[in-house]
Amino acid sequence: DAGVIQSPRHEVTEMGQEVTLRCKPISGHNSLFWYRQTMMRGLELLIYFNNNVPIDDSGMPEDRFSAKMPNASFSTLKIQPSEPRDSAVYFCASTVRTSGSLEQYFGPGTRLTVT
Amino acid sequence: GQSLEQPSEVTAVEGAIVQINCTYQTSGFYGLSWYQQHDGGAPTFLSYNALDGLEETGRFSSFLSRSDSYGYLLLQELQMKDSASYFCAVSPRGANNLFFGTGTRLTVIP
Repeated sequence: DAGVIQSPRHEVTEMGQEVTLRCKPISGHNSLFWYRQTMMRGLELLIYFNNNVPIDDSGMPEDRFSAKMPNASFSTLKIQPSEPRDSAVYFCASTVRTSGSLEQYFGPGTRLTVT
Repeated sequence: GQSLEQPSEVTAVEGAIVQINCTYQTSGFYGLSWYQQHDGGAPTFLSYNALDGLEETGRFSSFLSRSDSYGYLLLQELQMKDSASYFCAVSPRGANNLFFGTGTRLTVIP
């Protein structure tokens, strides 16, 4: 299996621009997660989906962030407009379980820099 | 809510054994997981404990005591490639996400 696939791997953009991060989970996995990692805040959950349905988006910082999962094999995280404080590594992860998942598989991440 | 505390840094000698502790406060959880992350890499699953006791996976073992709100990751026969950050995480009761600790940076020296 190819594992969780994320694109782009690196993104540099200017403040105010729209950014779209993409994720393809492992085939057969039923849950997908978006995490953000920074030195200050560590690894934090933004949103997760079970069977393509958003379950918990309480970690989404504000209305500038949105996430979609139109089908079982694709998800996007969009930031519009982007701000310098959004600079971070964004990870997508997936797992088979829809509750109590302790074993999650992470993609390589997208390193976002907003100038 | 959840909170997990880990030592920020640990240094150990190649070939030795090291224990990374994790103390937690949670209103309920399915279990405790451990993840490894090398610099510039993604978190990689190592082990989890859904029940109290010791789980062994090769050179790595993980332990959980719910009564003590405590767990640890034990790494044996340390190798230089084990230098990385290690995170404990809980899966909160009624949810499917992971809540991560602050991470422990392990440095293995010759």
